[in-house]
Amino acid sequence: RKEVEQDPGPFNVPEGATVAFNCTYSNSASQSFFWYRQDCRKEPKLLMSVYSSGNEDGRFTAQLNRASQYISLLIRDSKLSDSATYLCVVNQAGTALIFGKGTTLSVSS
Amino acid sequence: DTGVSQDPRHKITKRGQNVTFRCDPISEHNRLYWYRQTLGQGPEFLTYFQNEAQLEKSRLLSDRFSAERPKGSFSTLEIQRTEQGDSAMYLCASSRWSDEKLFFGSGTQLSVL
Repeated sequence: RKEVEQDPGPFNVPEGATVAFNCTYSNSASQSFFWYRQDCRKEPKLLMSVYSSGNEDGRFTAQLNRASQYISLLIRDSKLSDSATYLCVVNQAGTALIFGKGTTLSVSS
Repeated sequence: DTGVSQDPRHKITKRGQNVTFRCDPISEHNRLYWYRQTLGQGPEFLTYFQNEAQLEKSRLLSDRFSAERPKGSFSTLEIQRTEQGDSAMYLCASSRWSDEKLFFGSGTQLSVL
């Protein structure tokens, strides 16, 4: 089983749609969780951290379920500029961050 | 520009040659990471440093790969006897020790012919 698994997509949605991405991780000792965004031919950039109680940043909501070892990212009111690859990132104590393969989102007008 | 800087941006080499890449992290960051990324995949962890100490190295990293961070500032990644399978984007990132938020450079795209 891979350490971090994501549905690769692509997810093709119209502007204004709500879309959710899921991610599962294998190591129950994982402590830190993030979503990164990567535009085509660019470097990954931090989108948001994921906290145990769930957290929101504008149109983006991240949730963590430790019991199920599951992380989600919800994007509301999708914009054309949201088109990108979304990377789920997990780490265990004292180790480097492990990235999923990413989920590709394409928002069309 | 005070972001993470990588050099060169592109490198084309012939199979069997050695290549070296450089990364300059954000100045106040004492952690530095190397990742490799191929098309359709997420970044794959290679190694990371805290100051000059190399704290972790991926099991996937062959003996042909070596990384250094001699003074705890910039880092180099060397690949000896390159193979076609080494073709990838090599990404460097840095962070504060207390904060796992990574800031990436633009990467070095390696093509091995």
